[in-house]
Amino acid sequence: NAGVTQTPKFRVLKTGQSMTLLCAQDMNHEYMYWYRQDPGMGLRLIHYSVGEGTTAKGEVPDGYNVSRLKKQNFLLGLESAAPSQTSVYFCASSRFTGELFFGEGSRLTVL
Amino acid sequence: RKEVEQDPGPFNVPEGATVAFNCTYSNSASQSFFWYRQDCRKEPKLLMSVYSSGNEDGRFTAQLNRASQYISLLIRDSKLSDSATYLCVVKGSGGSYIPTFGRGTSLIVHP
Repeated sequence: NAGVTQTPKFRVLKTGQSMTLLCAQDMNHEYMYWYRQDPGMGLRLIHYSVGEGTTAKGEVPDGYNVSRLKKQNFLLGLESAAPSQTSVYFCASSRFTGELFFGEGSRLTVL
Repeated sequence: RKEVEQDPGPFNVPEGATVAFNCTYSNSASQSFFWYRQDCRKEPKLLMSVYSSGNEDGRFTAQLNRASQYISLLIRDSKLSDSATYLCVVKGSGGSYIPTFGRGTSLIVHP
């Protein structure tokens, strides 16, 4: 059972470069989320989606864009990476009221 | 006041001890509650959902107190393998089931 899969798992970028993180889920969940986790900060919501074709801003959306063209995929883009975006990124999915299922995380370093 | 608050700890306990964590939430209309466990550099994983009547799963007991707006997690007979960060998660209502995470409580179980 794949569950939630994130790619890539590790990436090093230079300041100003762009990249896209891909999240795929095979549980037919309506809700998908992107979080970042930094030491001492807990999980902070970047963007989320409540269904195909919809996205919304979370707590820390600046510097990120997202798209949900297909129900099973949720993409997180960094147009111009900054060192402050060095973090661990987690994707998650859920049904309306149910538990969240997380991917294994993507570790991004911006030099 | 943060929406979901937890004592960050760390809680440092010997094997076999009983330890309890509390989590308070500010939205009185919150509907769904969960405890997640996160090991170092890993994704959070569901430990247990929290039901109004309270629920138990082996050595773990979760309770919900709606009047005082807190949930608790009790771990009996602590094992070394229980060492982790425990995250409280609350989902709201009113059409928004976006989960809110506490920052987590660190537990260290020592021999």
